[in-house]
Amino acid sequence: GQNIDQPTEMTATEGAIVQINCTYQTSGFNGLFWYQQHAGEAPTFLSYNVLDGLEEKGRFSSFLSRSKGYSYLLLKELQMKDSASYLCAVVDSNYQLIWGAGTKLIIKP
Amino acid sequence: DTAVSQTPKYLVTQMGNDKSIKCEQNLGHDTMYWYKQDSKKFLKIMFSYNNKELIINETVPNRFSPKSPDKAHLNLHINSLELGDSAVYFCASSPGTADWNTGELFFGEGSRLTVL
Repeated sequence: GQNIDQPTEMTATEGAIVQINCTYQTSGFNGLFWYQQHAGEAPTFLSYNVLDGLEEKGRFSSFLSRSKGYSYLLLKELQMKDSASYLCAVVDSNYQLIWGAGTKLIIKP
Repeated sequence: DTAVSQTPKYLVTQMGNDKSIKCEQNLGHDTMYWYKQDSKKFLKIMFSYNNKELIINETVPNRFSPKSPDKAHLNLHINSLELGDSAVYFCASSPGTADWNTGELFFGEGSRLTVL
């Protein structure tokens, strides 16, 4: 079967750095997305990786290793508004999106 | 101007009733989706339409019937509502088709359905 694993919840301190991991086992791979979802709101796009390596976008970076079936989202200089769920999603060989359950990130002052 | 809008945002109804959720996108996208997000927060694809044609129809009860009158609209009708249908239903759109060369999904705000 297809599986996306992420930690259920993480806690970090304002101003710090946090890394949210995602591992996947899917039938084929055509890219990996990270989305941010604040409570009661819709998911919003953060990043897309299809090649190995690190993609940096401001305070957020996303890393992919296809051989290891692994990605992480790195958030720097954490702000209170970064408290949200972070969803990892993989595009499989049929170009369907397989979603993880998300990681709830709690930021403390 | 909202890119993907869905109505109603909240819906509380009794078991056995029939209800509809409407979705419209003004992004000019070719593909629209319905997702269900349950209490465990998994996003599950239900349906996908490309230019008014059904391209993904996951295993959902046939009480759920999508309708796409044109490529900017995708509505969801649910018959004989059950307790287990309680969830947040998200509409989304994307510029691509089955080929994820662009990929990014734009979501509506969600419709929270509560079945009593």
